[in-house]
Amino acid sequence: EAEVAQSPRYKITEKSQAVAFWCDPISGHATLYWYRQILGQGPELLVQFQDESVVDDSQLPKDRFSAERLKGVDSTLKIQPAELGDSAMYLCASSLALGSSTDTQYFGPGTRLTVL
Amino acid sequence: AQSVTQPDIHITVSEGASLELRCNYSYGATPYLFWYVQSPGQGLQLLLKYFSGDTLVQGIKGFEAEFKRSQSSFNLRKPSVHWSDAAEYFCAVGERNTGKLIFGQGTTLQVKP
Repeated sequence: EAEVAQSPRYKITEKSQAVAFWCDPISGHATLYWYRQILGQGPELLVQFQDESVVDDSQLPKDRFSAERLKGVDSTLKIQPAELGDSAMYLCASSLALGSSTDTQYFGPGTRLTVL
Repeated sequence: AQSVTQPDIHITVSEGASLELRCNYSYGATPYLFWYVQSPGQGLQLLLKYFSGDTLVQGIKGFEAEFKRSQSSFNLRKPSVHWSDAAEYFCAVGERNTGKLIFGQGTTLQVKP
């Protein structure tokens, strides 16, 4: 069964350092989502891609976060500089079609970030 | 604004007992509703979803949920809980035009032997 891949699974960094997370969606899935899940809370959308274009990045802290999906396949989320409050699980999800809630979103295992 | 409330942060049930997890939503139109489960350190797995039609929805692992428009609720149920059901459960509403999911804060289920 096809899965969403994410790496690394765990990342520990010091504040002010740069970190990057990678996501490879299920093959053929046009829509890719990055969510942030703070401990004890539900996931919150950071950015949504339709192919290589950003559809929604309204909740992305653009002063320090950036995301790209250059060829419309895999994606990278970067934080520079990292802050203590960025400690969270970063989840990637993908779905088949254009931004439709009727499509199931398939989630990867996540990257657990700890900022010291 | 759209929102999802899961009133119970933590629930403990005995193995074999029935389970109901509560979910209330706020959404302007007929909502798309989802339940996901997350095991420790893992991503989210879809249990079931409701778009329209029959308000009682069957999902995987023996779970079902009932959409009640009058109560703005979408509660998750299982008649007999297994120890492997211990996990965190998230209710979500989906925005129709974008696919964005808005999640509740989650309910942690503990199963006693």
